[in-house]
Amino acid sequence: TQLLEQSPQFLSIQEGENLTVYCNSSSVFSSLQWYRQEPGEGPVLLVTVVTGGEVKKLKRLTFQFGDARKDSSLHITAAQPGDTGLYLCAGSLTSGTYKYIFGTGTRLKVLA
Amino acid sequence: SQTIHQWPATLVQPVGSPLSLECTVEGTSNPNLYWYRQAAGRGLQLLFYSVGIGQISSEVPQNLSASRPQDRQFILSSKKLLLSDSGFYLCAWSANEQFFGPGTRLTVL
Repeated sequence: TQLLEQSPQFLSIQEGENLTVYCNSSSVFSSLQWYRQEPGEGPVLLVTVVTGGEVKKLKRLTFQFGDARKDSSLHITAAQPGDTGLYLCAGSLTSGTYKYIFGTGTRLKVLA
Repeated sequence: SQTIHQWPATLVQPVGSPLSLECTVEGTSNPNLYWYRQAAGRGLQLLFYSVGIGQISSEVPQNLSASRPQDRQFILSSKKLLLSDSGFYLCAWSANEQFFGPGTRLTVL
């Protein structure tokens, strides 16, 4: 069974602080995606990383794919209340099964 | 651009009643289609996925079924709902990346 473990599960921080969310697996992924989800809505795709060691930036968000393509991290600089939400990572397996394995999610709350 | 629609947005059904949730995708051809269920504030559980018309793969044994009668239409059904079927149901499509619909909140009473 393929698993994607996210940590931490919950995070409550003050506006302006930095944070990092981790996504780890023993499986190798051909690509990995990060989503943010608001309550009652579908997840919204933030970024896709495909190359081992790849780093992508989206304004204050920095995403990194591990060299072995088994893990990823999301770093937020100077968090704002608008960053509040559920963050999900999802990996696409290399076996060509068209399935995505989702992480357990990190619920972030940024306090003003 | 591609868009994905789900309906209804919310649904309240009695135990033992049938279910039909519909998902349609616009702006793409031959997408891979998915049904997920999400417990409150948690990750997604893959229920079914389809790589083509009439091709359905089931991931979790349950009283739910899925069908793909047209290239861009995916339907989730049940003949008799259980209390445990309550949840947030998400449809998604993918080519190289996966995109989600707005979801359906199902409450079984």
